[in-house]
Amino acid sequence: DTGVSQNPRHKITKRGQNVTFRCDPISEHNRLYWYRQTLGQGPEFLTYFQNEAQLEKSRLLSDRFSAERPKGSFSTLEIQRTEQGDSAMYLCASSSLSGPDNSPLHFGNGTRLTVT
Amino acid sequence: QKEVEQDPGPLSVPEGAIVSLNCTYSNSAFQYFMWYRQYSRKGPELLMYTYSSGNKEDGRFTAQVDKSSKYISLFIRDSQPSDSATYLCAMSARGAQKLVFGQGTRLTINP
Repeated sequence: DTGVSQNPRHKITKRGQNVTFRCDPISEHNRLYWYRQTLGQGPEFLTYFQNEAQLEKSRLLSDRFSAERPKGSFSTLEIQRTEQGDSAMYLCASSSLSGPDNSPLHFGNGTRLTVT
Repeated sequence: QKEVEQDPGPLSVPEGAIVSLNCTYSNSAFQYFMWYRQYSRKGPELLMYTYSSGNKEDGRFTAQVDKSSKYISLFIRDSQPSDSATYLCAMSARGAQKLVFGQGTRLTINP
C-alpha cells in the first residue's frame, strides 16, 4: 500500500491556460474523490467516482472542470481556461467499497495550483 | 450558516498539555464523524473515525460524539511538538459519499 499518489505536486500556469492533474488511488480502492482546498479553509467536495462511473458532481465544478477515471484506475482532473480564482490545493482521496457504507477517505498530498 | 463550524484558532499550548478541539454541526443526518490532521503542504491524514454517538480512544487521542447536541470533540493527551498541525473535523450522512469538513483548527505545541 503506497498510498494515494498525485502529480504534479505543484503547477504554476498563466491565466487562460489549461491544466491537467493526475491521481493514482490506493490499488484496491474503487471509490475516488476530488476535493479543493483554499488557504485557511477545509477541503470542499468536487466530484466522486465509483470504478469508472462519475456518480456525483458538486455545483462548484463549473463547465471548465472535467474529471475522468478511465478503466476505474487512475483519474485526471482538467481545468480549462484557468482563472486566478482556481488557485488552490486539489486533493484526491480514495476509499474501499467493501467496507461499511462510509469507509474513511485516504487523501493524497495534493496538487497546488497557482494561476498568475 | 455553514453545515460544520470549527474555530480556526490559532491555538497554542505548552508541551504535555491536554488539548481539546471541537466542532458543531447543523445536519442531523450526519452519522459518520472523522478527525484529520494536516501538516503544512501535505494532504489530510485520518486520525479518528467514529460512527454515531460515543467515545473512541486510540493512544493519546480520544474522539467524542454527542449527536443530541450536534457536537464532536477530539482530545489529545500529553501533547507533543510533533502534534503541531491543522486539525480538521469531517462528517457525512449514511449512504452519502460527500464529506463535509470544518474550517480546521491550527494547533501549535510549544516545547
